[in-house]
Formats: sequence, C-alpha cells, structure tokens
Amino acid sequence: SQTIHQWPATLVQPVGSPLSLECTVEGTSNPNLYWYRQAAGRGLQLLFYSVGIGQISSEVPQNLSASRPQDRQFILSSKKLLLSDSGFYLCAWSEWDRLNEKLFFGSGTQLSVL
Amino acid sequence: TQLLEQSPQFLSIQEGENLTVYCNSSSVFSSLQWYRQEPGEGPVLLVTVVTGGEVKKLKRLTFQFGDARKDSSLHITAAQPGDTGLYLCAGAGSGNYQLIWGAGTKLIIKP
Repeated sequence: SQTIHQWPATLVQPVGSPLSLECTVEGTSNPNLYWYRQAAGRGLQLLFYSVGIGQISSEVPQNLSASRPQDRQFILSSKKLLLSDSGFYLCAWSEWDRLNEKLFFGSGTQLSVL
Repeated sequence: TQLLEQSPQFLSIQEGENLTVYCNSSSVFSSLQWYRQEPGEGPVLLVTVVTGGEVKKLKRLTFQFGDARKDSSLHITAAQPGDTGLYLCAGAGSGNYQLIWGAGTKLIIKP
C-alpha cells in the first residue's frame, strides 16, 4: 500500500531563516506530487506541483521554491522566511481512477514564522 | 477564474440533528470531490461525484452532484460527534492538474 511521509509536524522559525520541508511517498512510482498551504480552518492553496523528477510548476509567485530530486521525494524550501509564510503546509500525491484524480495527503507541517 | 463557494462556513449542531453543506460555482466541473479534515491532519477523500444528478451514499452521508455539474451538496443524517471536522469540496476542470478548492465548512457536532 502507498504511504506518504511529511516532516517535521511542527516548526517555529525566525523571520529571515531558511526553510526545508520534506515529503516522501512509498509504494508507488512516478506519482504527481503537490505542495499546498492552508490558512487556519480554510481551504487549500496550491503552491507547486510536479509530474516527474526535476519538473516543477509554480502556481503562485512567492518566497518559496520546490524541488524533486528523486521520483518519490518532494522538498519545499525558502532562503529567507517571511511572517506571511506561516501556515499549515500539506504535501500530497495523486492517482488516477479512470478520469478522476484523487489526492492523498500527508499529515502536514504547521509552520510558525516569528 | 473558477471558484467554489461553500456554505455555511461554520456549523455547530447537536448530536442527532441533520445538516446539509453546499458547494456552488458558476463554472462546470468534470467531477467534484468531498474531503474531510481533522485538526492537525491532512484532508481525506470521502467521495468523488462525476455525473450530473449523481447521488452517492456513504453510511449517513449523502452526496449529490447538480444536474449541470456546477454545484454539490453533502447531507449528514443523525450527525454524531465523530462527524466533527472541516469539510472541503474540490472541483476538477478538464485537462489540468489543479483542483479548485472551496474554503471549507467547519462542522462541530455537540454530544
């Protein structure tokens, strides 16, 4: 069965510090991978998605970047965090069921930038 | 720009009551998904509806896709405290990787 691991679960970082969040998927090959951000109790904002190694699409201009160095590894980074980067970050992978794409999420990282 | 509006944003009811959550858009979606999310966790897919007018039942949860595939509803019968969570709808357009997400309905079922 497929599993997705995301860490750390919580992170408190000072403004201006770097960021690296890691996500790995097991039990599937060449998955589509996603990074989302969620404001408290609200909907999801797509940040990045990747359809393969080294292929990254950015949906929202921002202070963040993403990389996919291996097939099942997706990393979210920042060189200098801003206060506005605080939020709940979710990694997800997807599979297609006929014509419908289903997302499977990690347990998230709660990032507080102080 | 495709948008999905969910209502209500917040709902707090007593155990045993019924409720309906709505997800509306002016755009047509090829399919629509409902997810449930608990605090500190990622959303979990509950159902995907594909065909206009489709109704799917998951125990006490009934999901309906509008005939024109622009809206959907989630009805919970005899709500239980275990139903508490954030319910999110997400619509799929055609030919892209981005789901359009509603802002969510925070549901609290009081014992």
